[in-house]
Amino acid sequence: GQQLNQSPQSMFIQEGEDVSMNCTSSSIFNTWLWYKQDPGEGPVLLIALYKAGELTSNGRLTAQFGITRKDSFLNISASIPSDVGIYFCAGSSPYSGAGSYQLTFGKGTKLSVIP
Amino acid sequence: EADIYQTPRYLVIGTGKKITLECSQTMGHDKMYWYQQDPGMELHLIHYSYGVNSTEKGDLSSESTVSRIRTEHFPLTLESARPSHTSQYLCASSEHNSEAFFGQGTRLTVV
Repeated sequence: GQQLNQSPQSMFIQEGEDVSMNCTSSSIFNTWLWYKQDPGEGPVLLIALYKAGELTSNGRLTAQFGITRKDSFLNISASIPSDVGIYFCAGSSPYSGAGSYQLTFGKGTKLSVIP
Repeated sequence: EADIYQTPRYLVIGTGKKITLECSQTMGHDKMYWYQQDPGMELHLIHYSYGVNSTEKGDLSSESTVSRIRTEHFPLTLESARPSHTSQYLCASSEHNSEAFFGQGTRLTVV
């Protein structure tokens, strides 16, 4: 099946620093999603991207849909302690003739923010 | 805010017991999913459904079963729980080719 390579696997940063993480794939995706998961909770959708080259912001978060449709990145500016958590990318594969839809998840980036 | 609910949030149960994890959504989404996730690890799709009376197995083999009798309801059942089933189970729903919304999860511990 399709795979997403998400990096880095984990990050330790100082409060106030900017953060960047990305996902790459050998397959084309037509939707990229970024989620954040707090411990013991379900993932929460942060940003959804639907067009190649699209750049979208949500507060201090900015994400881009790569022009090749095989990658996406997420940036967090001026990190704060509540940014701690696991960030997952997810890609939606193109609609198939069989009517199927599949959402593929990366393995996550664990972010730790040092006050 | 997503309207998808999972119960119970936490469950500790003995080996051999039958359990059902509940998942309901009020968004009218056709597609629903069950993921299994160990703490801090990746999500593994174990079941999904395209709509009423549709159920499919996911990428990760699971001894659990699911049913989809109503659009809003997608319960997961384990006939005989074992310690290896200890994990977090996440339910999600989505419109066609759109973002998935997750419930808060059920943390299952089998002793």
